Amino acid sequence: DAEITQSPRHKITETGRQVTLACHQTWNHNNMFWYRQDLGHGLRLIHYSYGVQDTNKGEVSDGYSVSRSNTEDLPLTLESAASSQTSVYFCASSESTRGLAGGSEQYFGPGTRLTVT
Amino acid sequence: GESVGLHLPTLSVQEGDNSIINCAYSNSASDYFIWYKQESGKGPQFIIDIRSNMDKRQGQRVTVLLNKTVKHLSLQIAATQPGDSAVYFCAEWPISGGYNKLIFGAGTRLAVHP
Repeated sequence: DAEITQSPRHKITETGRQVTLACHQTWNHNNMFWYRQDLGHGLRLIHYSYGVQDTNKGEVSDGYSVSRSNTEDLPLTLESAASSQTSVYFCASSESTRGLAGGSEQYFGPGTRLTVT
Repeated sequence: GESVGLHLPTLSVQEGDNSIINCAYSNSASDYFIWYKQESGKGPQFIIDIRSNMDKRQGQRVTVLLNKTVKHLSLQIAATQPGDSAVYFCAEWPISGGYNKLIFGAGTRLAVHP
């Protein structure tokens, strides 16, 4: 069955370290997304990609970067981890861009809990 | 697990009762709405969606109601089961926006008691 996976599931790192969170999907979806989820907030978009070599900044992109070298993977890198980046990170994918039908369902991974000490 | 629901508003219901979860949205330009379910330690899961040209849509045991006048959504779950225990949140999407305009609410925790 097609799926979307994230690794690691839990990560503890120190302030200033570079950290990369992996996201891999086997849906063959064009669109991939990274969100963070914090207490009292809804999911907030960090970066997204509509296809290979395409990347776009979301609402909270500062301090994060992504690259899309193939359809299956969208790794998220924290260039220099900060305590404010302690959060739960979710990757998602969807098949197509929004159309007249209203939207294209996003499939979410299980999340990565990142703690920056 | 990966859960952020500890301080969310909580709706407690008895197994078998109907549940109603409410959501207020902010953008009058939003024309598409989605309800998600997030179980403890898991990612969000799509439940049901509705477009602004509808005021009601039914799925399996779930119904979404949309009141555009007061910018309010509700999710009704019939005959609530223990497996329905989760955080539920709505999302709104304006017609002119890409995925960067999809806005998620913080959610409500549904606790189902036997």
